[in-house]
Amino acid sequence: QQKVQQSPESLSVPEGGMASLNCTSSDRNFQYFWWYRQHSGEGPKALMSIFSDGDKKEGRFTAHLNKASLHVSLHIRDSQPSDSALYFCAAFNVLYFGSGTKLTVEP
Amino acid sequence: DPKIIQKPKYLVAVTGSEKILICEQYLGHNAMYWYRQSAKKPLEFMFSYSYQKLMDNQTASSRFQPQSSKKNHLDLQITALKPDDSATYFCASSQENTVSNERLFFGHGTKLSVL
Repeated sequence: QQKVQQSPESLSVPEGGMASLNCTSSDRNFQYFWWYRQHSGEGPKALMSIFSDGDKKEGRFTAHLNKASLHVSLHIRDSQPSDSALYFCAAFNVLYFGSGTKLTVEP
Repeated sequence: DPKIIQKPKYLVAVTGSEKILICEQYLGHNAMYWYRQSAKKPLEFMFSYSYQKLMDNQTASSRFQPQSSKKNHLDLQITALKPDDSATYFCASSQENTVSNERLFFGHGTKLSVL
């Protein structure tokens, strides 16, 4: 059973648009989350972490965590073609990764 | 300049053979990991090492054996290869092990194809 669920499986947004990715944990022990991004042919690269309820902003990326519902989201504003990649949510000492969301930003 | 070097980048093996995947990190980290990624499963944690000691093993099969000859090396030996072992294997490292706020740094991966 997947302990970290991600949605949607794939997402397409126009250049300059907002991309919203979601992640839900099924284990209340998972209260620390990371977002990773993987471009084709490369290894995953950490984007940002969030451990406290509420929003955390880093440049064009904003993560939101709701510990009560174990839901974390990643919002990318002003999306660029270079943001096209596979995005993973990771929980609990990065032992558990979600299945990923494939983001395509169309020029 | 890649700080985590994985060799080889591509590897083709026949069923039943044995292969070793190489990983070296030059980040000065104390913890190293192996992950596996295939089309069927998401990024899957396999092993974690800290100061050259095994910390966690989530791999059911004993055919997968990590080997740490130096602090910055963590190789992965796979014996009796099966077609189901076909995947991309990623090595990663972090400053310390099993701390929730540790950022992992990944290599570019070794893509293994078992025929």
